[in-house]
Amino acid sequence: DAKTTQPNSMESNEEEPVHLPCNHSTISGTDYIHWYRQLPSQGPEYVIHGLTSNVNNRMASLAIAEDRKSSTLILHRATLRDAAVYYCILRNLLRGGSQGNLIFGKGTKLSVKP
Amino acid sequence: DSGVTQTPKHLITATGQRVTLRCSPRSGDLSVYWYQQSLDQGLQFLIHYYNGEERAKGNILERFSAQQFPDLHSELNLSSLELGDSALYFCASSAPRDREDNEQFFGPGTRLTVL
Repeated sequence: DAKTTQPNSMESNEEEPVHLPCNHSTISGTDYIHWYRQLPSQGPEYVIHGLTSNVNNRMASLAIAEDRKSSTLILHRATLRDAAVYYCILRNLLRGGSQGNLIFGKGTKLSVKP
Repeated sequence: DSGVTQTPKHLITATGQRVTLRCSPRSGDLSVYWYQQSLDQGLQFLIHYYNGEERAKGNILERFSAQQFPDLHSELNLSSLELGDSALYFCASSAPRDREDNEQFFGPGTRLTVL
């Protein structure tokens, strides 16, 4: 399975933008890039996903490098509620045996200071 | 609220015992996934069911089994429990067609404590 690499932790100030990086140098052409987050004492929550183009939704933006070997999740104005572990995951149903399950790494623990 | 429900919320039992965890997917979702989250192993995929049939297995022990019923709810059975089975167990469901871009909706989890 293609691997992702994320920093263990990051800090941000409230109401400032946050850029969470993810490296995936072995990504294949059919791998989708998914981001999930897990707030304390909750189950993981979908944030955003993309294939090649940058994506925006109500929660965040996803910037994908032109060579797709890295991506960045952008939270435009961090709030205290955004403090969570953020997971960058490659997902490809065509990969043998995976059948769509998510393979979680250690993620990035984001702390937001008031 | 993701629309996925899991019961019970907490479960405390003894080593050697057997427990059943229950998951009800979002209305209309055919896929159910089970994940285990422990402090040392992180979030790990256990098993995936689609419309009643097993589709994929991950790091699921032989002492564990699951099934998905005609009404699409799923149960995860854990037997001969050991201390190391103490963890959070999450189920997730996704939309009717399995696609690379389908998001998974996670339930609140069941916290299992084996004493």
